[in-house]
Amino acid sequence: SQQGEEDPQALSIQEGENATMNCSYKTSINNLQWYRQNSGRGLVHLILIRSNEREKHSGRLRVTLDTSKKSSSLLITASRAADTASYFCATEETGRRALTFGSGTRLQVQP
Amino acid sequence: NAGVTQTPKFRVLKTGQSMTLLCAQDMNHEYMYWYRQDPGMGLRLIHYSVGEGTTAKGEVPDGYNVSRLKKQNFLLGLESAAPSQTSVYFCASRSGPSYNEQFFGPGTRLTVL
Repeated sequence: SQQGEEDPQALSIQEGENATMNCSYKTSINNLQWYRQNSGRGLVHLILIRSNEREKHSGRLRVTLDTSKKSSSLLITASRAADTASYFCATEETGRRALTFGSGTRLQVQP
Repeated sequence: NAGVTQTPKFRVLKTGQSMTLLCAQDMNHEYMYWYRQDPGMGLRLIHYSVGEGTTAKGEVPDGYNVSRLKKQNFLLGLESAAPSQTSVYFCASRSGPSYNEQFFGPGTRLTVL
């Protein structure tokens, strides 16, 4: 079963707008990670946030984590056409040795 | 560094045929993983390995076997392919168990007729 569930499943925005994707999970975690997948390619790691962190930034990316609600959000600011991709959250549950991936959000940025 | 590589990139099999997918990494990572990705399903873990000579089952292990005879290689075998195994297969590796990112290969697109 999927640990992380992303919302929305698909998102279409104009270049320059911000994109927000949400992820919910079910169990206790050590950390949560976000990955990006361009069409037909492998996943690429974007950012990791530990369970004791609430917010983290990397360039145009901002990730928040609310462990009480078991949810995370990924914000991409000032989006570009090149940001068009699928974005996945992945959780590392306490005691597990593997990440569990959600079903992803497909982001389309219109030029 | 090549990172994580997978061979082959594409393959078409007939039902009942067997094949082996090869994953190789040159980052000296201990942990390696095999996932399958189906439309709308995200990635599901098939098998993984936490070191040379070790393997463990993931979420969807049935119909697959794996081996990790060398640290840098992780093989995924299909003994008798079924149409339900039509998917894109991704290999990944990481250096340790926690707080580490995973590095992914480019994927193998497998079609079983």
